[in-house]
Amino acid sequence: SYDLTQPPSVSVSPGQTASITCSGDRLGNKYTSWYQQRPGQSPVLVIYQDTKRPSGIPERFSGSSSGNTATLTISGTQAMDEAAYYCQAWDINTAVFGGGTRLTVL
Amino acid sequence: EMQLVEAGGGVVRPGGSLRVSCAASGFNFGDYAMSWVRQAPGKGLEWVSGVNWNGRDTNYAASVKGRFTISRDNAKNSLSLQMNSLRAEDTALYHCARVSGRYLSRQNWFDPWGQGTLVTVSS
Repeated sequence: SYDLTQPPSVSVSPGQTASITCSGDRLGNKYTSWYQQRPGQSPVLVIYQDTKRPSGIPERFSGSSSGNTATLTISGTQAMDEAAYYCQAWDINTAVFGGGTRLTVL
Repeated sequence: EMQLVEAGGGVVRPGGSLRVSCAASGFNFGDYAMSWVRQAPGKGLEWVSGVNWNGRDTNYAASVKGRFTISRDNAKNSLSLQMNSLRAEDTALYHCARVSGRYLSRQNWFDPWGQGTLVTVSS
């Protein structure tokens, strides 16, 4: 089975840049999506097809992917960005999620 | 406004069965593949199953294959998940999510998501 690995937690100061990584075998050859989940809420798409941002998602959210790693970057992190973030890719026609990263804005 | 509303969750004994459903509105349901994604209490997201736009192609996570069956009714804008031989480890909040295209394929993503329906498997 295909696995995606994320760090369990990342901390960032307000206004600074947060980077959350997602690692998987030749992940750069797949498309990665990213989802934000605030406590008690459903996941929300923040990045799709590695780098694209849905309408309504702030420009401070960006994505990149190369080799075995995809990265979600949040520039000028705000308190409202504190949440769990999940990466997701497809292994043939089954979806795989990373274990999730808890972003803390200190 | 696109909306997905799940229903049918509840408490069931190990070995029992339950059927959860998802009502879609605000978009042309028959144009999109759909999926179920679950989240055990305090845990991460786990993809469970998906079905393509016309219901003819389905796929399942290894953890549920042979026990769960996904289906859809495009005339009723409805998605269902029949869960049999339930185990304690199936306890989770079950979300339905729209896939961005007609098929379960690498270029697609999940958006939007429903609020979920809670399934508890306990004796």
